Formats: sequence, structure tokens, C-alpha cells
Amino acid sequence: RKEVEQDPGPFNVPEGATVAFNCTYSNSASQSFFWYRQDCRKEPKLLMSVYSSGNEDGRFTAQLNRASQYISLLIRDSKLSDSATYLCVVNINKAAGNKLTFGGGTRVLVKP
Amino acid sequence: EPEVTQTPSHQVTQMGQEVILRCVPISNHLYFYWYRQILGQKVEFLVSFYNNEISEKSEIFDDQFSVERPDGSNFTLKIRSTKLEDSAMYFCASGRGSQETQYFGPGTRLLVL
Repeated sequence: RKEVEQDPGPFNVPEGATVAFNCTYSNSASQSFFWYRQDCRKEPKLLMSVYSSGNEDGRFTAQLNRASQYISLLIRDSKLSDSATYLCVVNINKAAGNKLTFGGGTRVLVKP
Repeated sequence: EPEVTQTPSHQVTQMGQEVILRCVPISNHLYFYWYRQILGQKVEFLVSFYNNEISEKSEIFDDQFSVERPDGSNFTLKIRSTKLEDSAMYFCASGRGSQETQYFGPGTRLLVL
């Protein structure tokens, strides 16, 4: 089983619509969870951290379900600029390092 | 806003040659990382570095790879004898603490011929 698994998509989303997708992780010791965004041939950029109680940042809402070991991201009122690959990222915090484990990404295409 | 920088942006090399990829982390960060992404694949962890030593490395980071922080600002990744399969985008990242957000540089695209 992959450490972090995502539906690769693409999710074709009309502008203004809502899109949601999940990722699952295999290591129950994972302690921190993130969504990063990656544009084509660019570096990953932090979109948001994911907290146990769920959290929202503008049009983006993230949820964590530790029991089922999945994380979700919901994007409301999609903009053309939201077109990107969304990377689900987990880590097992250690005092001397913070290795991030990435999923393969979910591609989102927002169309007019 | 401070950011991680990397040089060169692109590097083409012949198989068997040595390459050094350079990174300047954000100045008050203490934790440094290298990741790589082969075209079309996921981002993979290579190595983490803290307090002037490697704190963790992956299976990919074999004897051909080494890292160094030669001065107070640079953080380098050396590949001693490149192989075709080393062709990838290499990202440097840094963070203030072990549990802090990692910020990624723009990457160096390495092509081994």
C-alpha cells in the first residue's frame, strides 16, 4: 500500500463550482498533515496545514479523519487560478528532522 | 518575503560526471532538506540536515550523494557520479524548527545524458 495515496484526476471543474477530493495515508504514526499546491514544473507551495478539528482558509476547507486515516480538501467558488496539482503531504515528526511524505497529487482543471 | 533560492535552475551533465546543486535556505532556518521529483512522479524525500549533520536519509540517498553546509548560508547536494536515472527536479527546502512548515526553493532541473 502506498504511504500517501491520491486520486490523480484530473478533476474538471466549472468556474464557480465546488470540488472536493481526499487522500489516504498508511502510517498511523503520522502527526502532521498538509496540502501543498504545485503548478506545472514549479516547486510545491504550502496551501494549508490540516488540523484535527478541521480548518478553513478562505475558499479552502481541510478535514482530517485520523480513525480512517484520510484527509480531504474542498475548494469553493473555484477560480481559474485554482488550476494546479494538489499534493497531500504527511510527516512523522521527529526531533531531528521532519521528513515529508508526498502523495502523487490530484490534478484540478478549472474551466470557464 | 524571504525565500529559498537554488542554483543553477537547469543543469545538463554527462553520465559519470559529478554535479553540485546549490541552495541558500531562509536565513533564520535551522533544518534543511533535499527532495527530488522525477518527471511525472511524486516528490520524494532524500535527506534532512540539522546541526551540521544528516538527521535522516532515504534509500535513494546512497553513497553517491552527499550534502554539505560549507558556510553560514549555502547548503549543497553533491552527486559524485551521475546516472541516467538521477535526471529529475531537485528541490531544497528549509524550516525554522523540526515541526515547522518547510519552504521549498524553485528547484534545479538536472538532466543526465
